[in-house]
Amino acid sequence: GDSVVQTEGQVLPSEGDSLIVNCSYETTQYPSLFWYVQYPGEGPQLHLKAMKANDKGRNKGFEAMYRKETTSFHLEKDSVQESDSAVYFCALSGKNTDKLIFGTGTRLQVFP
Amino acid sequence: GAVVSQHPSRVICKSGTSVKIECRSLDFQATTMFWYRQFPKQSLMLMATSNEGSKATYEQGVEKDKFLINHASLTLSTLTVTSAHPEDSSFYICSASGTESNYGYTFGSGTRLTVV
Repeated sequence: GDSVVQTEGQVLPSEGDSLIVNCSYETTQYPSLFWYVQYPGEGPQLHLKAMKANDKGRNKGFEAMYRKETTSFHLEKDSVQESDSAVYFCALSGKNTDKLIFGTGTRLQVFP
Repeated sequence: GAVVSQHPSRVICKSGTSVKIECRSLDFQATTMFWYRQFPKQSLMLMATSNEGSKATYEQGVEKDKFLINHASLTLSTLTVTSAHPEDSSFYICSASGTESNYGYTFGSGTRLTVV
């Protein structure tokens, strides 16, 4: 079945550090790929998305490239800020299903 | 943009009672709505998918008689937790998807249910 695997647990960079949160997916379809961000006590919010291979999602300095050849959608940022602290979920939806499949989430805590 | 309103945001109920959670799409027609459950520091677990006017499709292991889902209109879906028990305490989140592809999946702000 479809699945998403992302960097487990938490990432603890300092402000100004670069960031990569890994996301790999497995599916027999041609999925759309998403990163969602969740703040404490709230529902997830769409952070960025890519609908087909070689698309790049961008938002607030974050980027993720849809790489079909490596089945990856890593989240990257050159210089993180304390306000980026949140839980980030990688997710996919297939063309033949309307379900979102989530990864386990990565907690980003940026230290000032 | 697409907005999904979910309420209540928090509810405390006594064991054995039922609780209803509402999820409304405010500015688009939600042909499909999803209900998730999230335990602390864990990912979202899909409970069921509902299409307007149809019976909900439940994921494996989710008791459909305990978690009643109604999607009677294109803007409203409800989740009723029947005969709630402390182990039902969790964060419940709805999501809606519309016919306009740009909307994708929009999530509600979640409901924190505590059963005492």
